[in-house]
Parts: sequence; structure tokens; C-alpha cells
Amino acid sequence: RKEVEQDPGPFNVPEGATVAFNCTYSNSASQSFFWYRQDCRKEPKLLMSVYSSGNEDGRFTAQLNRASQYISLLIRDSKLSDSATYLCVVPDRGSTLGRLYFGRGTQLTVWP
Amino acid sequence: EAGVAQSPRYKIIEKRQSVAFWCNPISGHATLYWYQQILGQGPKLLIQFQNNGVVDDSQLPKDRFSAERLKGVDSTLKIQPAKLEDSAVYLCASSLRGVGDTQYFGPGTRLTVL
Repeated sequence: RKEVEQDPGPFNVPEGATVAFNCTYSNSASQSFFWYRQDCRKEPKLLMSVYSSGNEDGRFTAQLNRASQYISLLIRDSKLSDSATYLCVVPDRGSTLGRLYFGRGTQLTVWP
Repeated sequence: EAGVAQSPRYKIIEKRQSVAFWCNPISGHATLYWYQQILGQGPKLLIQFQNNGVVDDSQLPKDRFSAERLKGVDSTLKIQPAKLEDSAVYLCASSLRGVGDTQYFGPGTRLTVL
């Protein structure tokens, strides 16, 4: 089983829609989780960190279910500028010396 | 604050040739990472440095890839000899301490091996 699994999409939604991405991870020792955003032919950039049950930042909500080893990202009121690939990122352990595992990413296209 | 710098941005070589990539992390960041990102996949860690020491190089193909971080600042990643399957974007990232901190990525080097 892969360390991080994501639905690659693509997700094509109209402006204003709500869209959710899911991610599952295999290592139950992981403590903190991240969502990174990667625009086409650009580098990944941190979108949100998730340390406890969830985190909310404006239109973006990340939720964590440790029992099911599952993380989600919800985007409300989608904007054209949200079009990107969203990478689910999981460390392999709780310490700062662990390694990050990146999912293959979920591609989102928001159309007018 | 200056970001992570990488050079070159693009490189085209023939198989069996050698290539080197350079990275300058954000000033003061102790941890430096080299990732390989193949088209359609997420970044895969090749090597991680804490200051000038290697923390994790378990996924580095050591028969052809090498990396160093002299003086705990700049880093170079070398491939010798290159294979067709090495075509990818090579991303350098840095973080203040370790994986619990935000990783800041450079723009990457897009390598094409013909």
C-alpha cells in the first residue's frame, strides 16, 4: 500500500461550486499533515497545515480523521484562481527528522 | 525575504552524459531537501540534509546520483551518467528545522534526457 493515496481527478467544477478532495495515508504514527498547492509548471506551495481534527482558512477547510487515516480538503465558493493541483502530504513519523510523502495530487479546474 | 534559488532552470542532455544542479536555500534554514517530480506524480524525496549532514538518502540511486551540502548552505545534486528515466523536474526545498515546518520550494530544474 502506498504511503499516501489521492484521487488524481481531474475535477472540473463551475465557479462558486463546493468541491472536496480526499486523501488516505498508511502510517498511523503520522502526527501533522499538509496540503500543498501546485500551479501548472510551478513549484508546490503550502496551502494548509492540519495538526488536530481540522483547520479552516477562509474558503478552505481541512479535516483529519485519525481512526480512518483519512484527510480531506474542502473548497467552498470556488474561484477561477483555485485551478491547480492539490498535493496531500504526510510525514512518516512524528519527529522533525522524518520524511514527507507527497501524494500524486488532485487536479482541479474551475470554469467560468 | 529571498526564496530558494535553483539553477539552471532547464537542461537538455543526452543519455550517459553528466549534469549538476545547484540550490541556495533560504538563509538560516537548517534542512535542505532534493525532490524528483516526474510528470503526473507528486515529488519524491531523493535526499535530505540537516545542516551539512545527510539525514535520509534512502531513495537516492547512489550508483548514479550524488549530492553534497558543503558548509551547510548551498547544495549540488549530480547525475552521472544520466538515463532516459531521469527526465523530471528536480526541486530543492528548505525548512527552518525539519519536516514539521513549512517547506519552501525553489522553481525547480526541468531536465530532459534524450
